[in-house]
Amino acid sequence: DAGVIQSPRHEVTEMGQEVTLRCKPISGHNSLFWYRQTMMRGLELLIYFNNNVPIDDSGMPEDRFSAKMPNASFSTLKIQPSEPRDSAVYFCASTGQGSGTEAFFGQGTRLTVV
Amino acid sequence: DQQVKQNSPSLSVQEGRISILNCDYTNSMFDYFLWYKKYPAEGPTFLISISSIKDKNEDGRFTVFLNKSAKHLSLHIVPSQPGDSAVYFCAASAIGDMRFGAGTRLTVKP
Repeated sequence: DAGVIQSPRHEVTEMGQEVTLRCKPISGHNSLFWYRQTMMRGLELLIYFNNNVPIDDSGMPEDRFSAKMPNASFSTLKIQPSEPRDSAVYFCASTGQGSGTEAFFGQGTRLTVV
Repeated sequence: DQQVKQNSPSLSVQEGRISILNCDYTNSMFDYFLWYKKYPAEGPTFLISISSIKDKNEDGRFTVFLNKSAKHLSLHIVPSQPGDSAVYFCAASAIGDMRFGAGTRLTVKP
């Protein structure tokens, strides 16, 4: 397996534009996480899915952020409209069934909003 | 609401000495704890873990200790090597959930 795949690796966009980040989890994994890396909070959990169902989205900072998982092999994180303070590295991770398993991370998407 | 806390943003040690990274958590529902290592421009990679039914897990130079009553865990690296220089994240997991701390940047000086 190629691991967790995120695209794009880098995104530069203008303030007010819509941004869509994409993630393909490891095949067979049933939990998917979106994290944002910041200096102050480290890896901040935005939302996670179990079996394609959003379980906890309390970490999503504002209504401008939304995430979907239409099937077991694909998820998106959308920011609309984007703002400069959204600039960060966004990571997607997936893990297998139940507790006691580690999460595998993608390479991340570095988002810059100018 | 930071459920997992790493209060030391950075740590510097001499090569060959022990590195001790600390982590505290607040949610008693967490039953599995992990340490991840992150290099620049890469995603975090799994390093070592421990179940809540244990108090110690060792893997080569890396040992994780868990003190459930204090809701505290630590990662010991001995001997430290320059290649260990990275950001280390502590994570705590309950079924379907995984929370991370803010990370500690470890620098191992030759």
